[in-house]
Amino acid sequence: GESVGLHLPTLSVQEGDNSIINCAYSNSASDYFIWYKQESGKGPQFIIDIRSNMDKRQGQRVTVLLNKTVKHLSLQIAATQPGDSAVYFCAENNDYKLSFGAGTTVTVRA
Amino acid sequence: DAGVIQSPRHEVTEMGQEVTLRCKPISGHDYLFWYRQTMMRGLELLIYFNNNVPIDDSGMPEDRFSAKMPNASFSTLKIQPSEPRDSAVYFCASSSSSASYNEQFFGPGTRLTVL
Repeated sequence: GESVGLHLPTLSVQEGDNSIINCAYSNSASDYFIWYKQESGKGPQFIIDIRSNMDKRQGQRVTVLLNKTVKHLSLQIAATQPGDSAVYFCAENNDYKLSFGAGTTVTVRA
Repeated sequence: DAGVIQSPRHEVTEMGQEVTLRCKPISGHDYLFWYRQTMMRGLELLIYFNNNVPIDDSGMPEDRFSAKMPNASFSTLKIQPSEPRDSAVYFCASSSSSASYNEQFFGPGTRLTVL
């Protein structure tokens, strides 16, 4: 079946270091791949997206990389801050239907 | 803007009772989504509407679940009768077709516990 999933369920990062969160997907037909962040007790929040015909996109402190050869998506967070502690989901969008992966919990150590 | 508003924030009910969850999307948004989040199944799309019309309800688990959107500013998700396995956090989200295709704005969720 088609699925979006994550390599690691948890990630512990020292404040100020860079974080890398990985995701594997199986549906090559998706138009977009997206990253969402969910803080404790809140709904998911959009971070950044990338179109399937791109391999890199940068935002504010975040970079998303897409490797279609190995069906791999990653989110890089520069200079990780305590406010970055959350669960991060990769997702794919097919005609407005978002399919979310299992999520990676990121904990930032002071 | 206040964002997506959901009520109640918490609901505890007994098996067999009817449960109604409510959502007010962001003004001007023409898409509305209902999701369910559990530890076992993650975040799942249940149904979504475009201009108040249900477009895809393939994620609705069974006939006990129903959703309506009588106007652009209100939607309900109803479970009748409720069962313990319906316990989850239910999120409503909205988006605009004139903005980012991928950015959905989620409400704070309703935590449902069915005893």
